[in-house]
Amino acid sequence: SAVISQKPSRDICQRGTSLTIQCQVDSQVTMMFWYRQQPGQSLTLIATANQGSEATYESGFVIDKFPISRPNLTFSTLTVSNMSPEDSSIYLCSVGEGTSTNEKLFFGSGTQLSVL
Amino acid sequence: QKEVEQDPGPLSVPEGAIVSLNCTYSNSAFQYFMWYRQYSRKGPELLMYTYSSGNKEDGRFTAQVDKSSKYISLFIRDSQPSDSATYLCAMSTGGGNKLTFGTGTQLKVEL
Repeated sequence: SAVISQKPSRDICQRGTSLTIQCQVDSQVTMMFWYRQQPGQSLTLIATANQGSEATYESGFVIDKFPISRPNLTFSTLTVSNMSPEDSSIYLCSVGEGTSTNEKLFFGSGTQLSVL
Repeated sequence: QKEVEQDPGPLSVPEGAIVSLNCTYSNSAFQYFMWYRQYSRKGPELLMYTYSSGNKEDGRFTAQVDKSSKYISLFIRDSQPSDSATYLCAMSTGGGNKLTFGTGTQLKVEL
């Protein structure tokens, strides 16, 4: 199983600012996934990050708001830009087991973001 | 209507009880069914993984899939306080498609 380190674990930010979340995996992986978990709602996929190519965003999420970097096979960042209180949520990084499946996911501990 | 429905709870049971957690879904194309456990301030961890219909047992945990009814269950036998967590069901059509998660059921096992 993959070990995923995510930081920061929590942050309180002001409206209009940006926060970059880092995700480090202890092994090389092809795809990394970024999820959002809002209270009372299901985990929602924001985007899939592949090394060496643009991230693929899900409906409702755009690159200008959630730019993603994937400089190598063990690291990715997600930036939440121009934040508003509606962005308050838990953000999770995850990777799949092996290279051919994304059903068995391993998750980081998450970043609890509060926007004032 | 949501694609996956899950009762949010909270569900409170005494130690040693049998717990039944359930999800219903509407997409008949789902083939892979997972249960994730999430402790407070932690990311979800995969608990059970099932392909298609049937039962799967792992220790005190049993996952059950009934595709004809579009209904999946997770049973926990001899529940322990350490089982207190939020349980998320998740489903996928496979082929690299994304997972669809339920909202999670919060479980508390009391001494």
